[in-house]
Amino acid sequence: AQSVSQHNHHVILSEAASLELGCNYSYGGTVNLFWYVQYPGQHLQLLLKYFSGDPLVKGIKGFEAEFIKSKFSFNLRKPSVQWSDTAEYFCAVNADSNYQLIWGAGTKLIIKP
Amino acid sequence: DTEVTQTPKHLVMGMTNKKSLKCEQHMGHRAMYWYKQKAKKPPELMFVYSYEKLSINESVPSRFSPECPNSSLLNLHLHALQPEDSALYLCASSPRDRGNTEAFFGQGTRLTVV
Repeated sequence: AQSVSQHNHHVILSEAASLELGCNYSYGGTVNLFWYVQYPGQHLQLLLKYFSGDPLVKGIKGFEAEFIKSKFSFNLRKPSVQWSDTAEYFCAVNADSNYQLIWGAGTKLIIKP
Repeated sequence: DTEVTQTPKHLVMGMTNKKSLKCEQHMGHRAMYWYKQKAKKPPELMFVYSYEKLSINESVPSRFSPECPNSSLLNLHLHALQPEDSALYLCASSPRDRGNTEAFFGQGTRLTVV
């Protein structure tokens, strides 16, 4: 069965620190990969996605992620975080043939001003 | 218009009430979804509609009844809910129901069952 693992459930950083949130998935076939963000009291928004092509994808608000097929990973990065990045971050995966988005447990990111 | 609109934003209902949640999108998406999200947890898929037909029901209790009146609208009818059904109910849509397609989420209805 497919699964998605997010390594850190809580991350606390100071402003201007660099961020990397880990995401690993288990599925041997073609996958589509997503990072969603949920700001406090707001809806889920897509940060970035990978379908094919360049494994380094850039998203909104200065976020980027790198797909490493050999490691089954899709880690999210940002060089310098801001207080406004405080949110819950979810990694999600679906197999190309499947309707089902498989979600990681989420990482709660708190940025200290 | 890249929005999925859900109403109401908040709903408090008793266990004997009947209520409905509404969802609307005008992006021409052919797949629409209902998810349930508990605090600090990822969304759990409940139902998938593809081309206005129910294609997936993730073993959801019959007290939740979805309806898709047309390609832009999705309803979730609620009846005889339990307190443990209190959660954020999210509607989403995507251009199609599988593959390399991105889901757009509404702001959700925060439901409290008393």
